[in-house]
Amino acid sequence: QPVLTQPTSLSASPGASARLTCTLRSGFNLGDYRIFWYQQKPESPPRYLLNYYSDSSKHQGSGVPSRFSGSKDASSNAGILVISGLQSEDEADYYCMIWHNSASWFGGGTKLTVL
Amino acid sequence: EVQLVESGGGFVKPGGSLRLSCAASGFTFTNAWMSWVRQAPGKGLEWVGRIKSKTDGGTTDYAAPVKGRFTISRDDSKNTLFLQMNSLKTEDTAVYYCSTSHQYSGSRPVYNYYTDVWGKGTTVTVSS
Repeated sequence: QPVLTQPTSLSASPGASARLTCTLRSGFNLGDYRIFWYQQKPESPPRYLLNYYSDSSKHQGSGVPSRFSGSKDASSNAGILVISGLQSEDEADYYCMIWHNSASWFGGGTKLTVL
Repeated sequence: EVQLVESGGGFVKPGGSLRLSCAASGFTFTNAWMSWVRQAPGKGLEWVGRIKSKTDGGTTDYAAPVKGRFTISRDDSKNTLFLQMNSLKTEDTAVYYCSTSHQYSGSRPVYNYYTDVWGKGTTVTVSS
């Protein structure tokens, strides 16, 4: 079982909100981890969006709009990326990542379609 | 402008070696922790390894699939990061990205203007 599990795909309409999840494997306590989020468009390198540990410990990447926000859902042991006011340019692959024992682990990515 | 430019990719046969470089500019490379991340064709991101700044010990960490085969190093006088890849396997075929890694002072994250910047990548193909 992967360390981080993301839904393969998600569709949402322009102007709506998209909620992307990143579920930690059993045995990984969500509260112990800072969740990082990246956006990748075709033929481009990943772009760092933000990271979220708690409401008092989070960071927005340089130039990343505030409509991208992070949170956690303890009930499902998952990190959450919410994109509000969806725009066509938000169509991309989104990856979550954590650091564990001096190693980095990426989720498999979610392909977000805006239609 | 913060910039990372990878080079050194190419075709190599299984068992061969390749050395990738990442030229950094626009920030104080000496202070930066640096990472390599790869992406196989049509697949997701996979972390390869990281090197801390010399002032933070200069230590390296590696992903299990590359440990013992890959070596990350840095030349701060030339603002350049390296990835020496030996005993290459077909499954090492990927685009290799260098990036400025998130840094910590103890457990406290340290952010700056060059946090988590990525290069455009260089392609490595391992095939017979």
